[in-house]
Amino acid sequence: AQKVTQAQTEISVVEKEDVTLDCVYETRDTTYYLFWYKQPPSGELVFLIRRNSFDEQNEISGRYSWNFQKSTSSFNFTITASQVVDSAVYFCALISTNAGKSTFGDGTTLTVKP
Amino acid sequence: GAVVSQHPSWVICKSGTSVKIECRSLDFQATTMFWYRQFPKQSLMLMATSNEGSKATYEQGVEKDKFLINHASLTLSTLTVTSAHPEDSSFYICSAQARGASTDTQYFGPGTRLTVL
Repeated sequence: AQKVTQAQTEISVVEKEDVTLDCVYETRDTTYYLFWYKQPPSGELVFLIRRNSFDEQNEISGRYSWNFQKSTSSFNFTITASQVVDSAVYFCALISTNAGKSTFGDGTTLTVKP
Repeated sequence: GAVVSQHPSWVICKSGTSVKIECRSLDFQATTMFWYRQFPKQSLMLMATSNEGSKATYEQGVEKDKFLINHASLTLSTLTVTSAHPEDSSFYICSAQARGASTDTQYFGPGTRLTVL
C-alpha cells in the first residue's frame, strides 16, 4: 500500500518569508515517482516537479526548491521569498511504477499575506 | 506540452438524473486514463483506471454501476454519474497517460465541478 502524508494542513506566512512544505511517503516499491502540484482556487492542478526514486539530487527552480531524502522518505518543498500569488493548496503525490496509480497527500493550504 | 480537456467544466443537475463528463487528450493518444474525485478541502482520490478498449478497474469502495466509465478511443474517456444524488457533488478530475509513455507521465485535465441539487 502507498501513503503520502502532508502533516501541515494550513500554513500562513507574510510575504517574503521562506516556507517549507513537508511530505513524507510510504511505499514498498523500489521504483517510484514523487510529484508536487499546486492547486489554485480555480481547481486546475499545476505540475511543479517530478522526481524518480533513483535521483536524490536536490533541485532548484527559481524561488522553488525540493529536498528529496530517501533515508527518511521525505520530499520537502521550499518556497523562498514567498509572494501572495503563491497562495494555493499544494499536493505531494506518489506514483508506483508497478501500478501507475497516483496517491495524493491531503494537501497543505498555503496563505501568503501581503 | 500535452493538453487534456474536460467537458463540461461545471454542471448543476437535479437529483436522480445522470451526468456525463468527458475527458479528452487533445494532442496525444492516451492508452490509460485515470478518474479522480475531490471533495471540498480534501485530497484527490483515485476512483478508477480505464484502458482503451477494455473495462475500467475501479478502486475499492467505488460503485461501478453508479460511476460508468467508457474509454472508447485513444483520445476520449467518459465518466457517467448515474442517478446522481447530492452526496455525489464533487470536483471530478481526469488524467491521461500518453501511449508509450512511462507511468509517471500523466497529464491532468482542468476538472469538472458537479453540483447535484
